[in-house]
Amino acid sequence: GQQVMQIPQYQHVQEGEDFTTYCNSSTTLSNIQWYKQRPGGHPVFLIQLVKSGEVKKQKRLTFQFGEAKKNSSLHITATQTTDVGTYFCAGPVGQGAQKLVFGQGTRLTINP
Amino acid sequence: NAGVTQTPKFRILKIGQSMTLQCAQDMNHNYMYWYRQDPGMGLKLIYYSVGAGITDKGEVPNGYNVSRSTTEDFPLRLELAAPSQTSVYFCASSTLLAGWNEQFFGPGTRLTVL
Repeated sequence: GQQVMQIPQYQHVQEGEDFTTYCNSSTTLSNIQWYKQRPGGHPVFLIQLVKSGEVKKQKRLTFQFGEAKKNSSLHITATQTTDVGTYFCAGPVGQGAQKLVFGQGTRLTINP
Repeated sequence: NAGVTQTPKFRILKIGQSMTLQCAQDMNHNYMYWYRQDPGMGLKLIYYSVGAGITDKGEVPNGYNVSRSTTEDFPLRLELAAPSQTSVYFCASSTLLAGWNEQFFGPGTRLTVL
């Protein structure tokens, strides 16, 4: 079945350093979503990318969707302690894209 | 709006016991989902529903059952609990409107089977 792989699994940075997580799908995606899960919390939707090559920014977060719509990345500039958590990408599967398949997530920890 | 609510927050079961995890949403979403998240892992889909009366299996349905009698509620039933079902269970809902499938998650139920 369709798989979505994320790397790295873990990333530890000093506060102020940049962070990037990468997502790769085994098949072409109609769109890709990103979620953030704080420690002990639940996943919260961040963004959805739809167009080939699309780039979207949310303050210090930059999201990219690859030209072939099979990969995506999330880049955080100058990390802050509030960025701690696990970041998941997810792609739609199934008839009518009713379901999402999630990557394993990248857990970000930050040294203040 | 309360969004997606789940009860209970925590539960400890003995092997072989059964229980129902409750999930409700007040956003009039057609689509509802149950995921499990094992420690340090991603989310795996157990069951989902595209509307009242319609349910389908996800990636890991064995040992679970669901029903969807109303738009608002989507309970998950565990029969004959096993230690392998120790996990955090998240319920989610979405509208899937014009290709937009943002999923709204509940706070989760932490289940331990001993």
